[in-house]
Amino acid sequence: AQSVTQPDIHITVSEGASLELRCNYSYGATPYLFWYVQSPGQGLQLLLKYFSGDTLVQGIKGFEAEFKRSQSSFNLRKPSVHWSDAAEYFCAVTPRGGNQFYFGTGTSLTVIP
Amino acid sequence: EPEVTQTPSHQVTQMGQEVILRCVPISNHLYFYWYRQILGQKVEFLVSFYNNEISEKSEIFDDQFSVERPDGSNFTLKIRSTKLEDSAMYFCASRGRTSGSNEQFFGPGTRLTVL
Repeated sequence: AQSVTQPDIHITVSEGASLELRCNYSYGATPYLFWYVQSPGQGLQLLLKYFSGDTLVQGIKGFEAEFKRSQSSFNLRKPSVHWSDAAEYFCAVTPRGGNQFYFGTGTSLTVIP
Repeated sequence: EPEVTQTPSHQVTQMGQEVILRCVPISNHLYFYWYRQILGQKVEFLVSFYNNEISEKSEIFDDQFSVERPDGSNFTLKIRSTKLEDSAMYFCASRGRTSGSNEQFFGPGTRLTVL
């Protein structure tokens, strides 16, 4: 069965510091990979996605993610975090040719001044 | 930019009551989905809908749930007799046929509170 693991439940970083949120997936073939952000009481906003090709993908709000097939990982990064980045971040996968999305449990990001 | 919309944004109901959550997918999309997120937990797949029928459903989607596309624009999720544990955020999503990446576009969600 497909699974998505986000090992960090909660991360706290200082404003201006770099950020890396981890995501690992378990699936036989490389799925399509996504990162979503959810602010309190809000819906899911797509940050970026990976389908194929260049393993480093750029997203909105200065985020990027790197797909590493050997590690089955798709970690999200940002070089300098802003206070407005405080939110819940979800990694999601969907199999190629599949239907549903599988979400990780999320990582809650707190940004301190 | 086209987007998925959902109404209401917040629904409060009594246990045992029926609720209908409404979604308007992106107009040229053909695949429709419902997900739910219990507070503090991950987003879980409920059901997918294509060509006027359910194409896949999860264990969560039992006989108390139903979906319908009553007209050319709306996509609804009905819960016949709500339970306390149905309290959650419900997300609708849609996908276009040409979306080779399977990318789904999510609505803002409806928060359902069952008292």
